[in-house]
Amino acid sequence: DAKTTQPNSMESNEEEPVHLPCNHSTISGTDYIHWYRQLPSQGPEYVIHGLTSNVNNRMASLAIAEDRKSSTLILHRATLRDAAVYYCILRSSPTDYGGATNKLIFGTGTLLAVQP
Amino acid sequence: SQTIHQWPATLVQPVGSPLSLECTVEGTSNPNLYWYRQAAGRGLQLLFYSVGIGQISSEVPQNLSASRPQDRQFILSSKKLLLSDSGFYLCAWSPSILAGGDEQYFGPGTRLTVT
Repeated sequence: DAKTTQPNSMESNEEEPVHLPCNHSTISGTDYIHWYRQLPSQGPEYVIHGLTSNVNNRMASLAIAEDRKSSTLILHRATLRDAAVYYCILRSSPTDYGGATNKLIFGTGTLLAVQP
Repeated sequence: SQTIHQWPATLVQPVGSPLSLECTVEGTSNPNLYWYRQAAGRGLQLLFYSVGIGQISSEVPQNLSASRPQDRQFILSSKKLLLSDSGFYLCAWSPSILAGGDEQYFGPGTRLTVT
C-alpha cells in the first residue's frame, strides 16, 4: 500500500482557516485520497475524498496537487468542534482486493488543536 | 437511513477469559464489514474485513477471530484474552465497491480493558 506522511500535530485559532498537508509521493494512478477525522473517544468520521480534481463538500475542501504527490485538507473556518485527529489515507484500486472492498489503512494522522 | 450498533460500550475482562463483541448494521444490505483496534495513543489497525456471509479476511496474525453469521452481523471473538488485547475496538461498514461505495461508517466502539 502506498504510504502517506502527515505532521504529527498542528494548531489553529477558532474561526481561522486550517490547511492540513499530506504527502503521498508513491501514489499510484488509481489511488483515491481519503480524509477521515476522529474526535476524542469516538470512531472515525468520513470527511472527503478525491482522485485528481479538487473537491468541496459541506465539511471541507480537498486540494490535490497536479502531480498528485501531495494534497491539502482545508477547513475554511475552524471551530472548537474541529479539534480531532485527521487521517489522510490512500485507498487502492478495488481490483487489488478482489474487486469488492474499499479497505483503508490508517496511519497516525495529524492532531489538530483549535484555540478559542 | 443506515445505523451501526456495537455492544458492549465498555468491557473489563481478566486475562485468559473469552471475548465476544457484536456489531450489527441496519438499513442496508450486503455491506462490507470491518473490525479495527486502536491501542491507547496509537492509530487504527485493521484486524478483519468481510465482503459477505462467511467470508472473512484477516489482516494480522493475532489472538482474535471474526465471524459473519448473517449479512449484517459481524462478531469479534477470542478464546483466551491477553493483556495486549486491551484497546478500543471499532466496527465499520461500507457499501461494496460493486455498489458504488466509497465511505466507511464507524460504530461507537467498545473499550476493552484486560486485567
